[in-house]
Amino acid sequence: GENVEQHPSTLSVQEGDSAVIKCTYSDSASNYFPWYKQELGKGPQLIIDIRSNVGEKKDQRIAVTLNKTAKHFSLHITETQPEDSAVYFCAADHGGYSTLTFGKGTMLLVSP
Amino acid sequence: SAVISQKPSRDICQRGTSLTIQCQVDSQVTMMFWYRQQPGQSLTLIATANQGSEATYESGFVIDKFPISRPNLTFSTLTVSNMSPEDSSIYLCSTTSGSAQETQYFGPGTRLLVL
Repeated sequence: GENVEQHPSTLSVQEGDSAVIKCTYSDSASNYFPWYKQELGKGPQLIIDIRSNVGEKKDQRIAVTLNKTAKHFSLHITETQPEDSAVYFCAADHGGYSTLTFGKGTMLLVSP
Repeated sequence: SAVISQKPSRDICQRGTSLTIQCQVDSQVTMMFWYRQQPGQSLTLIATANQGSEATYESGFVIDKFPISRPNLTFSTLTVSNMSPEDSSIYLCSTTSGSAQETQYFGPGTRLLVL
C-alpha cells in the first residue's frame, strides 16, 4: 500500500520568513496530492492540491511542487504570518481511488 | 465545496459503553469516509461508506467495533462500540467533491474521551 513520509515534524520560523514542508510517497500510481491545515480544535482544511500532470501550483503565498520521478512533493509558504501556525498534513491518493494516505504532520509555529 | 457537520462535537464516555457519531453533508454525495485521529497523530482511515452498500473497512478496523450506517446520500453514522480508553481520539468524517471526485473535505470532528 501507499506510504507517505513527511518532514520535518516541527518547524519554527519568524514572521515573514518562508517555510517548506516535504513529503515523499511510495506508490508510483498516485496522481493526487493534497495539503491540509489543521488548527487546534478543528477539522483539516484543504489549502492546496496538485495533480500528477502539473509540476507546480501556486495560490497567493502558498505553492506546491511535485517531482513524480523522485516521488516527492513540497509545500512552500512565503511571508509567513502568525495565523499560519497550525499542523499541516500532506496526503497522496491510491492511484485513482478516492482514499488518501496521510503523512504524520508538521507543526508549524510562526513567531511574531 | 461540501459543508459537513458532526454531532456531538465532543463527549466523555465510560468504558464499556457505545457512542454514535452523526455526520451530515449539505449536498448529496456518493462517498463518505470515517477517520480516526489519535492525540497528536495523523489521520487513519477507518472505513469508506457508500450509500446502498456495506461499508468497506481498512485493515485493523472491524464492523463489530465500528458499525457504520449510510441511510441516504447526505448522512452517515459511526458507532464506537464497547469503548476503552484506547478509543479516545478525534473521529472525523469526510466526503469527496468536485468534478474529479478526488478532493476530500472534512467535518469539524468529534472529540471523544473514554474514562
